[in-house]
Amino acid sequence: EPEVTQTPSHQVTQMGQEVILRCVPISNHLYFYWYRQILGQKVEFLVSFYNNEISEKSEIFDDQFSVERPDGSNFTLKIRSTKLEDSAMYFCASTPGQLAGGPGWSIQYFGAGTRLSVL
Amino acid sequence: QKEVEQNSGPLSVPEGAIASLNCTYSDRGSQSFFWYRQYSGKSPELIMSIYSNGDKEDGRFTAQLNKASQYVSLLIRDSQPSDSATYLCAVSGDNFNKFYFGSGTKLNVKP
Repeated sequence: EPEVTQTPSHQVTQMGQEVILRCVPISNHLYFYWYRQILGQKVEFLVSFYNNEISEKSEIFDDQFSVERPDGSNFTLKIRSTKLEDSAMYFCASTPGQLAGGPGWSIQYFGAGTRLSVL
Repeated sequence: QKEVEQNSGPLSVPEGAIASLNCTYSDRGSQSFFWYRQYSGKSPELIMSIYSNGDKEDGRFTAQLNKASQYVSLLIRDSQPSDSATYLCAVSGDNFNKFYFGSGTKLNVKP
């Protein structure tokens, strides 16, 4: 069964460093998302991406963050100058989209997540 | 601010009982509604999706949607200890560029 793949599973970095979290969405999906979940808290929307551009972003997604789809398969989240409060689980998700048709066009499929620890 | 509200629990039910989980949302333009299960340290796993008013059943799970009351619920019949997890309600906005999650309800099913 197709799945969303995220690497690495755990990333440890020093405060102030840049990190890149990687995701391979399901191949025929058109919409891609990044979410953050701080330990013990809710899943928070960061950004959505469609047709090679950001569709929507939350107030959390400030200039420290950027996303990119550098090729036909990868979807990356870059966090510049990491802060202690960036420590969280980061989830990538993808959705088929309406063009794919079928009843499940809006269902989000989540990757296993990357746990980011900023020291 | 578009909100999705859930009782944080924990909700404790004995094995074999029905667990009832509730969710309210603030955006009347919401079109798609989802229940996810999340085990500690794991990613959300889709349980049910529902798009129109009424009930939708899938095995031991029934989702109920009432758009007039802006209310979504999930019933789990014959609850099992393996159902013990946090259940997340998620709602898509008037487009599916953004999904809003509730804080989740922690369910404990006691053997």
